[in-house]
Amino acid sequence: DAGVIQSPRHEVTEMGQEVTLRCKPISGHNSLFWYRQTMMRGLELLIYFNNNVPIDDSGMPEDRFSAKMPNASFSTLKIQPSEPRDSAVYFCASSTAGPLSYEQYFGPGTRLTVT
Amino acid sequence: GENVEQHPSTLSVQEGDSAVIKCTYSDSASNYFPWYKQELGKRPQLIIDIRSNVGEKKDQRIAVTLNKTAKHFSLHITETQPEDSAVYFCAASRDFNKFYFGSGTKLNVKP
Repeated sequence: DAGVIQSPRHEVTEMGQEVTLRCKPISGHNSLFWYRQTMMRGLELLIYFNNNVPIDDSGMPEDRFSAKMPNASFSTLKIQPSEPRDSAVYFCASSTAGPLSYEQYFGPGTRLTVT
Repeated sequence: GENVEQHPSTLSVQEGDSAVIKCTYSDSASNYFPWYKQELGKRPQLIIDIRSNVGEKKDQRIAVTLNKTAKHFSLHITETQPEDSAVYFCAASRDFNKFYFGSGTKLNVKP
């Protein structure tokens, strides 16, 4: 398996622009997670889906952020409009959510820079 | 919600020495505690985990201990090697899905 796939790997955009991050989970995994990592705030869970349904979005910073999972093999995280404070590494992760394993497999991340 | 605190923030050891990283959590309902290793510029990867019905778990040179009463858990790495140098994150979860991560410990193993 190729593991969790994220695109793009790097994104540089100007403040006010729309940014869309993409994720393909590991085939057969039924849970998908979006994280944001910054030096100041560490690794934060933004939202997670189970069987394509959003379960907990309490970590989404504000209405500028939205996430979708239209099918089991694809998810997007959108920021509109983007702001410099959104600069971070965004990770997507997937898991089978037990009971034999609760390991979350992380993708390579998207490094977002908003100028 | 859960609050996970991790110490120390940086740790430097000589190759061959042991390293210990400690975490505390606030939610007594948390029952799953994974540890992730993140090498520079790479993704976090699970190295070991423990569930609340177990007090200790070992996997070769790494071990994790859990004290539910005190709400703290620790990662122990023995016979450290330069390739152990990375940032280590602890996490706690009550539902096996929503992980609350600690702030990370940067471990430097000096050859």
